Amino acid sequence: QVQLQESGPGLVKPSQTLSLTCTVSGGSISSGSYYWSWIRQPAGKGLEWIGRIYTSGSTNYNPSLKSRVTISVDTSKNQFSLKLSSVTAADTAVYYCARGDIVFYWGQGTLVTVSS
Amino acid sequence: DIQMTQSPSSLSASVGDRVTITCQASQDISNYLNWYQQKPGKAPKLLIYDASNLETGVPSRFSGSGSGTDFTFTISSLQPEDIATYYCQQYDNLLPMYTFGQGTKLEIK
Repeated sequence: QVQLQESGPGLVKPSQTLSLTCTVSGGSISSGSYYWSWIRQPAGKGLEWIGRIYTSGSTNYNPSLKSRVTISVDTSKNQFSLKLSSVTAADTAVYYCARGDIVFYWGQGTLVTVSS
Repeated sequence: DIQMTQSPSSLSASVGDRVTITCQASQDISNYLNWYQQKPGKAPKLLIYDASNLETGVPSRFSGSGSGTDFTFTISSLQPEDIATYYCQQYDNLLPMYTFGQGTKLEIK
């Protein structure tokens, strides 16, 4: 049973960089042909896809966030990571990591608040 | 970018009612359309994939249809445990990004 778990600071100051890691257990991040994504959800609002990384390391990003987003993978640790730079209060959200185009496996989500 | 227009944004129905939610894509996405259920404080749960395929373990009262730009999600007989917000999601890899609909909040009347 594949499980995903987000980790990282719950509070980030404005203008700084938000950094989150997703640890995958129950299977190798390198096995299969999957995209690994980050998705976020502001309180009371809908889901927004941030970007994804393929097992080969290739990435795709939401055009609205592309200039500020970097997603990377560390196969040795079975993890992939998100960095979002120059954050503002509008980036406050629950951040989910997820697997696949058809997302059966989700992390539980982690709340990141941007505030001074 | 592909835009997904989901309607209605909220819906109130009685137990036993047939409930329908629609999702329209701004361009042809074939059948690359999934439906999710999200309950408060929880991650979304996959219900329907590739427009009409029921995920394993999901009750058969849930169904999906459509292709191209117009898609429909149906609950044939609403149950109290179906109270949630529902999202459509496209994943056409020709334009490599995912897009979610705005969500439909379903309440019991």
